[in-house]
Amino acid sequence: DAGVTQSPTHLIKTRGQHVTLRCSPISGHKSVSWYQQVLGQGPQFIFQYYEKEERGRGNFPDRFSARQFPNYSSELNVNALLLGDSALYLCASSLLGQPQHFGDGTRLSIL
Amino acid sequence: ELKVEQNPLFLSMQEGKNYTIYCNYSTTSDRLYWYRQDPGKSLESLFVLLSNGAVKQEGRLMASLDTKARLSTLHITAAVHDLSATYFCAVEVFSGTYKYIFGTGTRLKVLA
Repeated sequence: DAGVTQSPTHLIKTRGQHVTLRCSPISGHKSVSWYQQVLGQGPQFIFQYYEKEERGRGNFPDRFSARQFPNYSSELNVNALLLGDSALYLCASSLLGQPQHFGDGTRLSIL
Repeated sequence: ELKVEQNPLFLSMQEGKNYTIYCNYSTTSDRLYWYRQDPGKSLESLFVLLSNGAVKQEGRLMASLDTKARLSTLHITAAVHDLSATYFCAVEVFSGTYKYIFGTGTRLKVLA
């Protein structure tokens, strides 16, 4: 079975631009979560979606938004990019209450 | 403020030795997770602990949970080089919305 897949793997943007990151969960998983991981730190929780509804939200500004589609795939959108948004963005899927399975991430660099 | 603290942050140990990583959290949590991350790689799930006194073991790793003390431990028995990685604990909390709070991570290096 395919694991969690994320696209793109790498992305370079400039300040002020917007970006859309995509995630396909493991088949059967209805929960998708997004995290930001800066080098040398633990993942920071951004959002969790379950059955297309927002279930959880971390302490990120409104520039960050997400949605989940009927096929349970998900998008993370970030507007008005800042240098500090440079990070590895991880998507994870799970059955609710079970351990999360992480994708390989999207490395976002802001110039 | 919701906090999850791990110690030690760095751990260098000899093969064959035992050691424990500690995870303290600041608020009531329904679930505690342990993950492993190899350099340049994504996270791999190790354990989920659901109730006070829960203990889970997989190979040389054993995790336990004391919800009253808000403490989880990850015990390493007879370490081998392949266990070298960064280990994170994470808690699931609900305060109007769900959040997943990760610890600072413990970078483990097992020396041959």
